[in-house]
Amino acid sequence: DIQMTQSPSSVSASVGDRVTITCRASQGIRSYLAWYQQKPGKAPKLLISAASTLQGGVPSRFSGSRSGTDFTLTISDLQPEDFATYYCQQASSFPLTFGGGTKVEIK
Amino acid sequence: VQLLESGGGLVQPGGSLRLSCAASGFTFSTYAMGWVRQAPGKGLEWVSGVSHRGDSIYYADPVRGRFTISRDNSKNTLYLQINNLRVEDTATYYCAKGSTGYSPFDLWGEGTLVTVSS
Repeated sequence: DIQMTQSPSSVSASVGDRVTITCRASQGIRSYLAWYQQKPGKAPKLLISAASTLQGGVPSRFSGSRSGTDFTLTISDLQPEDFATYYCQQASSFPLTFGGGTKVEIK
Repeated sequence: VQLLESGGGLVQPGGSLRLSCAASGFTFSTYAMGWVRQAPGKGLEWVSGVSHRGDSIYYADPVRGRFTISRDNSKNTLYLQINNLRVEDTATYYCAKGSTGYSPFDLWGEGTLVTVSS
């Protein structure tokens, strides 16, 4: 199984900050990596697919990148509505696996 | 465009439940679907996936042999039969639509809570 190691597990930030979340795959997954945002009591929402493709309606302050088996989600100019938990997920092979999540909290 | 799960509830260890997911607003029969669960206060865990025709099926190891995914494209409905439930199966179960292929998931239901307890 492909393990997805996500870090940090939590981050405290202020409105306007730049936040970076990293996910490392235990083996090559090419660009089959997605990022989701989840708010308390709600279903996850797909933000980015194929490592860097922003989904329709997702603000451009969200971006994704890949370097080998390392993937990064960057939120620039953090907004109040961005405080949530973020998950990466590999879509390269079964079983599909998620990272452990990163909770972005208000400083 | 939505997915609506039902069928969750409180069940004793060893019991069974059948979860349903009614899809609307898109051509259900042309998309792979999946189930993802989330234990209380924990992260997301993929459970199972099925191809658009229902002829290719995949399971996570912890549920293989106990859970059965199926779909009825004539009813726009996805199912998850869960048998021999364990306490560790307690979770909110989400139905999710594959965007391209089986994943990623671009549409999620609101989830249905399964609680396994004596």
